[in-house]
Amino acid sequence: DTGVSQDPRHKITKRGQNVTFRCDPISEHNRLYWYRQTLGQGPEFLTYFQNEAQLEKSRLLSDRFSAERPKGSFSTLEIQRTEQGDSAMYLCASSLVREKLFFGSGTQLSVL
Amino acid sequence: AQTVTQSQPEMSVQEAETVTLSCTYDTSESNYYLFWYKQPPSRQMILVIRQEAYKQQNATENRFSVNFQKAAKSFSLKISDSQLGDTAMYFCAFMTHQGGSNYKLTFGKGTLLTVNP
Repeated sequence: DTGVSQDPRHKITKRGQNVTFRCDPISEHNRLYWYRQTLGQGPEFLTYFQNEAQLEKSRLLSDRFSAERPKGSFSTLEIQRTEQGDSAMYLCASSLVREKLFFGSGTQLSVL
Repeated sequence: AQTVTQSQPEMSVQEAETVTLSCTYDTSESNYYLFWYKQPPSRQMILVIRQEAYKQQNATENRFSVNFQKAAKSFSLKISDSQLGDTAMYFCAFMTHQGGSNYKLTFGKGTLLTVNP
């Protein structure tokens, strides 16, 4: 059990650029989640995958956001045409059972 | 929609002493999970303790225990024998047990706990 891995740890980008984050869940975990955490707040749910199927997207996820989980393994979260309001930490979590989530260390995004 | 409220933005405690962090929540459901997560400077969210609402007995994990008051919708975390490594943000979280979104965690805003030597 190597834990949930997220890459990169930090990303600095200019407004208008596209960014992509990667999450590698714990192997054999079929459930994968993305959360967003802004300064001074708790994490907020963004989206949920069961295997390769994306079962829910929060309304926080605008059309500029897209998440994939090909083959039910790693997942990517892409943000197109980044805005300063996208600056946040993006957390990935995985689980085998829904009430026991394991989180990664997050990707801190700064949009200048 | 469920809400989770943590009314203490910051707290501090001396090493080896006991501290209690407060959490209240609002839900119309009868069965759900409650959690306390710890987020140290490394940023990784770590599960501290979990409580199922239908269980009357308060959960305990080593130095961590909860006081779950279902009628009052209160879920406080007690840390005994505080250690320097307990310094972190602590988040209270709720997960419904039923319905189509029974996998989403709803978090409070967190309490920053500092353990002083």
